[in-house]
Amino acid sequence: EAAVTQSPRNKVAVTGGKVTLSCNQTNNHNNMYWYRQDTGHGLRLIHYSYGAGSTEKGDIPDGYKASRPSQENFSLILELATPSQTSVYFCASGERGPDTQYFGPGTRLLVL
Amino acid sequence: QQKVQQSPESLSVPEGGMASLNCTSSDRNFQYFWWYRQHSGEGPKALMSIFSDGDKKEGRFTAHLNKASLHVSLHIRDSQPSDSALYFCAARGVNTGNYKYVFGAGTRLKVIA
Repeated sequence: EAAVTQSPRNKVAVTGGKVTLSCNQTNNHNNMYWYRQDTGHGLRLIHYSYGAGSTEKGDIPDGYKASRPSQENFSLILELATPSQTSVYFCASGERGPDTQYFGPGTRLLVL
Repeated sequence: QQKVQQSPESLSVPEGGMASLNCTSSDRNFQYFWWYRQHSGEGPKALMSIFSDGDKKEGRFTAHLNKASLHVSLHIRDSQPSDSALYFCAARGVNTGNYKYVFGAGTRLKVIA
């Protein structure tokens, strides 16, 4: 089965601090995605990527940046973390076309 | 308003019973649909996809799609306690190069032993 890993699994950050969430996939998938999950909202797309070097804005990109330095790695960066960014973040990968997405185990972020 | 609406928000069924989950899209561009399942503390995992009108069966799970009404449903036969989870409907558009998926808010299913 496709493998997507995330680090860290849990993170406590201070308001105004910088946070980097990392994602690695060994599926050789072209597309990668970052979502946040909040009760009542389901999964909302923050950023996504078509391949190494590309990043695209999703539906809720404000306050987040993304980086795709290689096929395998996709990072989500919070330059100035705020308490409203407290959430569970999921990374996913998938092929081009209408393909199933494979999710990582998630990162629980608490911004104090 | 979310482009993918799921109902009900929560559902309890007895072990061995039938669970029925619903999903309706408000965007006619959405033509590809998935059902994902998420157990507590884990990431979502795909159950099945459905792209054509009609039924698609995989084991105890049957998905039904009606593109004209933009409605997709998931029926779980002989529900087991291990089916207790959060179920998401996801949709994607047909436009070439549009890789964005939209997820519903989820239906929480509890199977009572």
